Amino acid sequence: QVQLQQPGAGLVKPGTSVKLSCKASGYNFTSYWINWVKLRPGQGLEWIGDIYPASGSTNYNEKFKRKATLTVDTSSSTAYMQLSSLASEDSALYYCARPLYYYDVTWFAYWGQGTLVTVSA
Amino acid sequence: DIQMTQTSPSLSASLGDRVTISCRASQDISNYLNWYQQKPDGTVRLLIYYTSRFHSGVPSRFSGSGSGTDYSLTISNLEQEDIATYFCQQGHTLPWTFGGGTNLEIK
Repeated sequence: QVQLQQPGAGLVKPGTSVKLSCKASGYNFTSYWINWVKLRPGQGLEWIGDIYPASGSTNYNEKFKRKATLTVDTSSSTAYMQLSSLASEDSALYYCARPLYYYDVTWFAYWGQGTLVTVSA
Repeated sequence: DIQMTQTSPSLSASLGDRVTISCRASQDISNYLNWYQQKPDGTVRLLIYYTSRFHSGVPSRFSGSGSGTDYSLTISNLEQEDIATYFCQQGHTLPWTFGGGTNLEIK
């Protein structure tokens, strides 16, 4: 079955960077985009961007273009998101998600457990 | 960007009730509307895609409807395990955007 494994939590200092991982299993990793989504209490979910593992092509939400960098390691079926210049507003739960498609309809069918990032000195 | 608004940040209902959660888009999204459930432990799962199509394994008490800019998720016969936050998401135009969520509580 499709699984997306994410580490549970991380504490990081302001101004630094963090690299989150999302290890995929149960399907052909290179055939589906991997999406990243941010959840802050009271803020709802925000789509950060996605990456196509076969080519490394990416799409970013304009809001996160200078904050997030998406990469993949196809040898380990793992997607990564690096967040830079961390500030308090980056403290959030970050999910990776894999879509399913039907013609031009896309939906996030599979989700990781999320990684809680806490930015604190 | 398309703004998604869930007008009720929270709802309170009794077990066995029929509950409707609403979502409005800032423009016509032509039924490209998905619903997700986030449990208190953080687990997120897809419930409904393309307005009214069921994802596999989702109980039949969940249903979706709507068109144009206005959509809704209905839970008939509310159960304890339905305590969660529900999010809508438009799949019409990048960037994909979500509603602010509706937190469902038991009275």
